Amino acid sequence: DGGITQSPKYLFRKEGQNVTLSCEQNLNHDAMYWYRQDPGQGLRLIYYSQIVNDFQKGDIAEGYSVSREKKESFPLTVTSAQKNPTAFYLCASSNPGSAQYFGPGTRLTVL
Amino acid sequence: EDQVTQSPEALRLQEGESSSLNCSYTVSGLRGLFWYRQDPGKGPEFLFTLYSAGEEKEKERLKATLTKKESFLHITAPKPEDSATYLCAVQELNAGGTSYGKLTFGQGTILTVHP
Repeated sequence: DGGITQSPKYLFRKEGQNVTLSCEQNLNHDAMYWYRQDPGQGLRLIYYSQIVNDFQKGDIAEGYSVSREKKESFPLTVTSAQKNPTAFYLCASSNPGSAQYFGPGTRLTVL
Repeated sequence: EDQVTQSPEALRLQEGESSSLNCSYTVSGLRGLFWYRQDPGKGPEFLFTLYSAGEEKEKERLKATLTKKESFLHITAPKPEDSATYLCAVQELNAGGTSYGKLTFGQGTILTVHP
């Protein structure tokens, strides 16, 4: 089955820790995206990548980092510089100009 | 800056009671408008893409329409399983007439259908 997988489903972070969220797709899509969703708010773009080894900041990139070493993978690191990381994180992929397809999400909670 | 506003924020319907959700947008050049359905604790599920004013798309009890300033998601004779948050997003054309793929989302409409 083609699709997008995210892991873990739930993640807990202590103060000062960096954590990495995984995103893998087997849809052969060129572009991948990371969004953050907070209660009562729309999705906000963190980072996106249109091709391997290239990525751009979205609207709320501060405190986050990404890499795109393989077409299938686009991991997101939430660093200790992100002061309010508790949120639902969504990964998506698409081909240029087409609809984005989303993974099941990772819920991150700061302890 | 692109803006997307959805209304109402929440909508409660009785089973079989048809209604519409609104998505108003401001964008310098529209590449596409997208509708998604999101169930609690899950990722959004793609429903429709609309590209030009006058276009309509249908899927089961859902029908999406597009004008130059807004889109409507019409729900005909809804069932309890249609209960979800419906998200609207726009994709802008860049100066070169292509698209980066970036979506700007509205805040969503929470639909509850009672049996």
